[in-house]
Amino acid sequence: QAQMMQSGAEVKKPGASVKVSCKASGYTFTAYYLHWVRQAPGQGLEWMGWINPNTGASNYTQRFQGRVTFTRDTSITTAYMELSRLTFDDTAIFYCASGPGHMNFWGRGTLVAVSS
Amino acid sequence: DVVMTQSPVSLPVTLGQPASISCKSSQSLVYIDGKTYLSWFQQSPGQPPRRLIYQVSKRDSGVPDRFSGSGSGTDFTLKINRVEAEDVAIYYCMQGTHPFTFGGGTRVEIK
Repeated sequence: QAQMMQSGAEVKKPGASVKVSCKASGYTFTAYYLHWVRQAPGQGLEWMGWINPNTGASNYTQRFQGRVTFTRDTSITTAYMELSRLTFDDTAIFYCASGPGHMNFWGRGTLVAVSS
Repeated sequence: DVVMTQSPVSLPVTLGQPASISCKSSQSLVYIDGKTYLSWFQQSPGQPPRRLIYQVSKRDSGVPDRFSGSGSGTDFTLKINRVEAEDVAIYYCMQGTHPFTFGGGTRVEIK
């Protein structure tokens, strides 16, 4: 059974960076794109981009370009999302999702709180 | 960017009655391969999203058959045949053609 295990909650100061991890298991990690989705408190889902775990190629939505970096380590079937220059508006739950047909398997989310 | 517009924003439903959610895209979602990449997700309170439907009408494994998706081009619909208490959630459509955008969500609640 596919699982996406995400790292724990983070509290960061404005201007700092955060790196969230997502460990995949139960399926072939390199077979499907892995997406990152942001959800601010009480708000809807916002697609941030994807990484191709096989090649390492990534695609970011324009809103986050220049501020977000997706990476992966195939040896430990783990993907990472690093977001820099954090502002209060970045307080959100960040989800990773993958699987056939896109976003079939989801992690439980990582809360990132930006606070001074 | 392709804009996905869902309606209604809130949908009060009586248990056992049907429910229907609309999703309209600002561009056709037919991809160059001929497929239409429109999915529906359910997010129950405090939970991550769960995909229910992909490619307009294909139901994911384990999804009750009271959920169905339909539509084409720019207009799509999610229908719940007979709403049950466990269906209380926010439902999102998502297009994966240009490349990915979510709708704003529809909150389904029991009257």
